[in-house]
Formats: sequence, structure tokens, C-alpha cells
Amino acid sequence: GAGVSQSPRYKVAKRGQDVALRCDPISGHVSLFWYQQALGQGPEFLTYFQNEAQLDKSGLPSDRFFAERPEGSVSTLKIQRTQQEDSAVYLCASRAGTSGREFFGSGTQLSVL
Amino acid sequence: GNSVTQMEGPVTLSEEAFLTINCTYTATGYPSLFWYVQYPGEGLQLLLKATKADDKGSNKGFEATYRKETTSFHLEKGSVQVSDSAVYFCALSEVTNDYKLSFGAGTTVTVRA
Repeated sequence: GAGVSQSPRYKVAKRGQDVALRCDPISGHVSLFWYQQALGQGPEFLTYFQNEAQLDKSGLPSDRFFAERPEGSVSTLKIQRTQQEDSAVYLCASRAGTSGREFFGSGTQLSVL
Repeated sequence: GNSVTQMEGPVTLSEEAFLTINCTYTATGYPSLFWYVQYPGEGLQLLLKATKADDKGSNKGFEATYRKETTSFHLEKGSVQVSDSAVYFCALSEVTNDYKLSFGAGTTVTVRA
């Protein structure tokens, strides 16, 4: 597709379950970002990849959060032992180079019950 | 640290009314400033940006001017349309870490016919 694709669109998890959220960036895009958007708030930066290298993971809220991009294209954000406070929309964005315009996906809405 | 404060919503307007959404920021150095828009069911899209003091960003009839003296980047449109109904986010990025966006909480705008 032409844009950033995220799946699933919606995810419901029971507290304590592990979840994996997928991001397919625009083909050939070098930079990839994950953001967390709580209800009624703006997105908060989680992590940044340049190709397969995770250059900044300072925004990950705890060691239960893990992101990877092993081949420099698709990325997965994994949350272990989900908690209710993890409920949010998780946004992925990509950028062609190391600077310039970012393109956002529609997000995955995670609800932890 | 960096922060962005924007006018709380929701804002409801009639078609052809004048729209202003206030945005102020706190940052070290001289950040780049952005307005993003999120239409219903879609991902975040860059609306406009400004990278230095006194720059004016403009797009689709929207304008915002980077005011260093008041640390502000207010969004304006002279005559709104129903299709402008969306959530608007003010954001900044640092010069040194330009990949990391800091967002405001968002302002929901509804335009009535």
C-alpha cells in the first residue's frame, strides 16, 4: 500500500496477557517511530529506528515494552504482561530519510481489561 | 524538558467562521514547530510547519507564525468549512533530536453547516 499500515486495528487483551502490534512502514523508508496516545492526550514518543538499529528507546514506559525491526522494514511493538494503564492508541510513523516529513499510520487501539 | 500547551476544546463553529487555536511551547534552544491534523478515522497528517522565528507556515488556508518572543505558534483560518472538522495537534521537535516530536493534547474542532 501507499501508506503506513498497522495491524490489528483494535486489540482487546486481558490484564497479564502479552500483545504484539505490527507496523508496515512505507516501502523504502529508513526511519520508523512508535508513539503512544492515551485517551484525550497527544501522542507520546516511545522509540525510534533507523533501518534495523534502535537509536532511541527512551520513551518506552517500562521493561515490559519491547520493539524490534530486525530487517529494517516491518516493526513489532511487544507489550508483556499488559496492565490497564497500557490502554491507548499506538501509532507508528515512518520517514524516507533521517529528516523530513513523517507519515503516520491509523494506529492500533489497545484495550486492556 | 520540552512541552506544548494548546487551547482546550472542543471548539464548535459555523461554516465560514474564523478559527484560532492557541499554542504555546517550552523548549531548550530553537525548536521546529508543527501543526498536525487528524481527520475522523485517519492517521495524523502534517498540516504546516515553521523552522525558525518569524517563519509563517501555511497550507489549505491555515496559517501559523513562529513567535519566539511569545513562544507561540497559533493556528488560524479565516473561513472554515465542514471538511475542516478534525482534531488539531500542535507539536515541536528539537534541532538536535529532530526525530522526536512532542505534542500538545489536541483540540477537537467541529464545523457546522
